[in-house]
Amino acid sequence: DAGVTQSPTHLIKTRGQHVTLRCSPISGHKSVSWYQQVLGQGPQFIFQYYEKEERGRGNFPDRFSARQFPNYSSELNVNALLLGDSALYLCASSPGGPTLTRNYGYTFGSGTRLTVV
Amino acid sequence: KQEVTQIPAALSVPEGENLVLNCSFTDSAIYNLQWFRQDPGKGLTSLLLIQSSQREQTSGRLNASLDKSSGRSTLYIAASQPGDSATYLCAVSGNSGGSNYKLTFGKGTLLTVNP
Repeated sequence: DAGVTQSPTHLIKTRGQHVTLRCSPISGHKSVSWYQQVLGQGPQFIFQYYEKEERGRGNFPDRFSARQFPNYSSELNVNALLLGDSALYLCASSPGGPTLTRNYGYTFGSGTRLTVV
Repeated sequence: KQEVTQIPAALSVPEGENLVLNCSFTDSAIYNLQWFRQDPGKGLTSLLLIQSSQREQTSGRLNASLDKSSGRSTLYIAASQPGDSATYLCAVSGNSGGSNYKLTFGKGTLLTVNP
């Protein structure tokens, strides 16, 4: 079975531009979460989606948005890019639902490395 | 607000040594705790998941313990190998901050195992 798939793997954007990152969860998983990891830090929570609804949002500005599609894949959008948005963006997949997530935890993708110049 | 601290920040050991990585968290109302491994520039690989009702989990040379009441977890690596060199991250999930099941991470421990 394929794991969590993220695309693209690397991306270079200019300040002020917009970017879209994509994630496909493990087959059968219904929950997708997004994390931002800057160099030398642990990942920081951005969003969680379950059954196509936003279930949680971290302390990020409104320039960050996301959505989940009927096939449970997800997009993370960032508008008006700043230099400080340069980071590794990680997608995490979980079976979804409180009990399943409690028992099985999260599986992460390989990430998208975003560089803003 | 949940906060996770990992000690030490970096560790260098000779091959074959047994070692312990430490993780502490401030809010004991967690659902579970996961240990992850991260190679440079790569994503996270889940190593062990301990549910809040469990005390420890084992996988091969790895053993993780959880003391929820004191807010601590340890990851024990037996007979370390150069291939174990990576950053090890501890993360807890819970309802802290109003978001069910979000993971709160520590900054990680950078492990180097020297041949």
